[in-house]
Parts: sequence; C-alpha cells; structure tokens
Amino acid sequence: GAVVSQHPSRVICKSGTSVKIECRSLDFQATTMFWYRQFPKQSLMLMATSNEGSKATYEQGVEKDKFLINHASLTLSTLTVTSAHPEDSSFYICSGTSGRSTNRGDTQYFGPGTRLTVL
Amino acid sequence: AQSVAQPEDQVNVAEGNPLTVKCTYSVSGNPYLFWYVQYPNRGLQFLLKYITGDNLVKGSYGFEAEFNKSQTSFHLKKPSALVSDSALYFCAVREKGDKIIFGKGTRLHILP
Repeated sequence: GAVVSQHPSRVICKSGTSVKIECRSLDFQATTMFWYRQFPKQSLMLMATSNEGSKATYEQGVEKDKFLINHASLTLSTLTVTSAHPEDSSFYICSGTSGRSTNRGDTQYFGPGTRLTVL
Repeated sequence: AQSVAQPEDQVNVAEGNPLTVKCTYSVSGNPYLFWYVQYPNRGLQFLLKYITGDNLVKGSYGFEAEFNKSQTSFHLKKPSALVSDSALYFCAVREKGDKIIFGKGTRLHILP
C-alpha cells in the first residue's frame, strides 16, 4: 500500500508556543489530505480536509485560526497548532488519497501519527 | 445522516479460532465501507473496502468482510486468529459528500 509519513512522531512544547506537524506522501501524489485528532481510547475525529492548492475545509467546531493547514504540494501537507494549550494535547493523524475529496471510494492512507503534549 | 456502529468495545478470541468484529451502518444511499486496523501509537492501516460487486470482500492479512444489505452490516472476519492480530479495529462508512465516518473502534485480543 501507499506510504504516508509524519514528522515529528512525538513533540512536547510549552503552552503558548506553536508546533508544526508535517505529513508527506512518499510514493503517491496526495491530491487530498485529511487531518484527524484522536483522543485516548476514542475514534478519529476529522478536523479538516484539504485539496492540493485549495484552502482547507474545516469541520464544525474546529478553529481554523488555531489549526493552520497548508497543502501546497501533492506530497506535503502541514498542520500548525498555534498558541498551543494543554487541551490541545492529543494524537494527530494525517491521511492522503490520490483522488479528489469527492471520490468517496478512494482508500485513505494514514500516517503513523504525531503525539503532541503541551505542558 | 450516515453513521456507523461497532457494538463491541472489546473482543477476546483464542489463537487459532475464527474471529468476527461486528459493524453496522446507517446510510440513505449506497454505502462505501472500509475496515482499518490500528496498532499502538500508530496510524491506521487499510485492510479492505466494499464499493460494489461481490458481497464478500477479501483484504490484507487474511481478513475478509461480508456486506449484508438487508442487515446493514459489514462484519470483519478471519478464519484463524493470530496473536499478532491483536489491535484496534475501525469500521468506516462514506456516503455523500467528502467525509468518512469512523466507528468508535473494537479492541481485539487474541489469547495465546
């Protein structure tokens, strides 16, 4: 299957600082990338969907000014958590598909996740 | 609105026995259904999907799932469980629009 990497795998930061998480598709062009948040022992919560070259579409309740998403190329998307607070501590997972976000049969390929801890 | 349910938080199976992880869904049209597996501190790995065609879908690592329209189910199965199958399994459905909905997950324990 297709490979998606995330960097860093784990990050600890102080409250009020910003953290950038990178998501890369290594062997395919990810036309669409998704960002999820997963709380302990819970399912994935979709935060936003981004099509390459377009602005991200955020899910209801997700602050777009706090969670900045950039999808400038077909192999890279970044999520920046701005002015992080302890409640932002979570496991963040990205995924990519080669098709547009409306292609509902496309398989999503997931990155290994980034564990963010905000002190 | 579309939804997916995994009624079991945890399933315990002895190694070598068949396993089933249950999933039911609710959509207004034709569903696209997926199973993913997650190992500790890892992202999700794709196992299989149903789009159309044969109701029995075969996937990775010997897993298969059967689409049952009348029962609105898409249970994941494997004839003989391995200890290495122990993980968290997510069922997902995608109907209209561009959002995939995940179930809450079922933790599978294979007992040696």
